[in-house]
Amino acid sequence: QSALTQPPSVSGSPGQSVTISCTGTSSDVGSYNRVSWYQQSPGTAPKLLIYEVTNRPSGVPDRFSGSKSGNTASLTISGLQAEDEADYYCSSYTSRDTWVFGGGTKLTVL
Amino acid sequence: QVQLVQSGAEVKKPGASVKVSCKASGYTFTDWYMHWVRQAPGQGLEWMGRIHPNSGATIYAQKFQDRFTMTRDTSISTAYMELSRLRSDDTAVYYCARDGHKWNFDYWGQGTLVTVSS
Repeated sequence: QSALTQPPSVSGSPGQSVTISCTGTSSDVGSYNRVSWYQQSPGTAPKLLIYEVTNRPSGVPDRFSGSKSGNTASLTISGLQAEDEADYYCSSYTSRDTWVFGGGTKLTVL
Repeated sequence: QVQLVQSGAEVKKPGASVKVSCKASGYTFTDWYMHWVRQAPGQGLEWMGRIHPNSGATIYAQKFQDRFTMTRDTSISTAYMELSRLRSDDTAVYYCARDGHKWNFDYWGQGTLVTVSS
């Protein structure tokens, strides 16, 4: 199972919005609304941000939102803050009853 | 509150095996699947497998099927992963992560660094 495709890096200034894409196939992202997103700061475990494409766990700011079109899911962070600087990973359930992650995207807040 | 506490760092020689534990608390251990995910230094996350603590049923990523084993001890709410025939490219932080019942990983252990070096 190949990893989902994410851009290696994105950047934005405080207050701006950025979008991170996550491209899979018809065997994973395209077939299921079972995409989740994680934020990982250096030296820490990942933290769940978005699940089932669009849902936020309690405590996650509404600045974080998710969407999907075809085989590509997206995470949008609006009103960028310095504390958002981190690595972001998408994940999808697959038709083989397994899970696959994206390669990760490093967000830099300028 | 939900907590997953993993065992400490390990240093192993190539060809050896390593076993990592993940003790769960704050919820009913047998009601939630547990996943294992690893992250090599400077690299991304890699899903390894999932176990149902109640039945012991497992699903493995094809890449690890021949040398990766997940088990559990329900009496102490602890999940285990064992990786055998270690290679240098198995050097990574290994995480346990609870399945959130919504196709996600809602709680994560702190990670266990496994270093494979001769």
